[in-house]
Amino acid sequence: EIVMTQSPATLSVSPGERATLSCRASQSVSTNFAWFQQKPGQAPRLLVYGVSTRATGIPARFSGSGSGTEFTLTISSLQSEDFAVYYCQQYNNWPLTFGGGTKVEIK
Amino acid sequence: QVQLQQWGAGLLKPSETLSLTCAVYGGSFTDYYWSWIRQPPGKGLEWIGQISHRESINYNPSLKNRVTISVDTSKYQFSLKLTAVTAADTAVYYCARGLPYDFWGQGILVTVSS
Repeated sequence: EIVMTQSPATLSVSPGERATLSCRASQSVSTNFAWFQQKPGQAPRLLVYGVSTRATGIPARFSGSGSGTEFTLTISSLQSEDFAVYYCQQYNNWPLTFGGGTKVEIK
Repeated sequence: QVQLQQWGAGLLKPSETLSLTCAVYGGSFTDYYWSWIRQPPGKGLEWIGQISHRESINYNPSLKNRVTISVDTSKYQFSLKLTAVTAADTAVYYCARGLPYDFWGQGILVTVSS
């Protein structure tokens, strides 16, 4: 099983600042990698898939990068609606696995 | 617009069988895999398994002996059964279209308690 490790567990950021979230895979997942955003009481929302392709309707301030085992989600200028928990996921190998999440909170 | 609507029992006793169904409205049913994912309260996401319209199935080995996912293409529905539930199976259960998971059901909290 591929283990996905996200860091940091909590990120405190002021509105308007840049946020950088990391995810590491225990082995290569090629480009079969996605990021999700989840707000309390809601289902996760797909942000980025294929490492760097934004999902439909996702603002350009969200960008994904990386390759192989190291991936990054950057939020260029945090808006109030961006404070949430973010999960990474690999869909290259069975079983599909998610990271433990990074909570982005208001500083 | 694609919508996934799920239903099923929300309160079970230990050893009972969890049964959930997800209906798909809009979009193609045959072009995607259909998945179940769960999230224990306050914790992260766990992939349960997925099925295609041709019944190609993959399960998480951690649940494999207890889980069954099935599909009814004529109704645009797919279902999850999990046998011999325990308190550890208490979670919000989501259905989703994927991969990647671009549309999700609303989630159902299933609580296992005696």
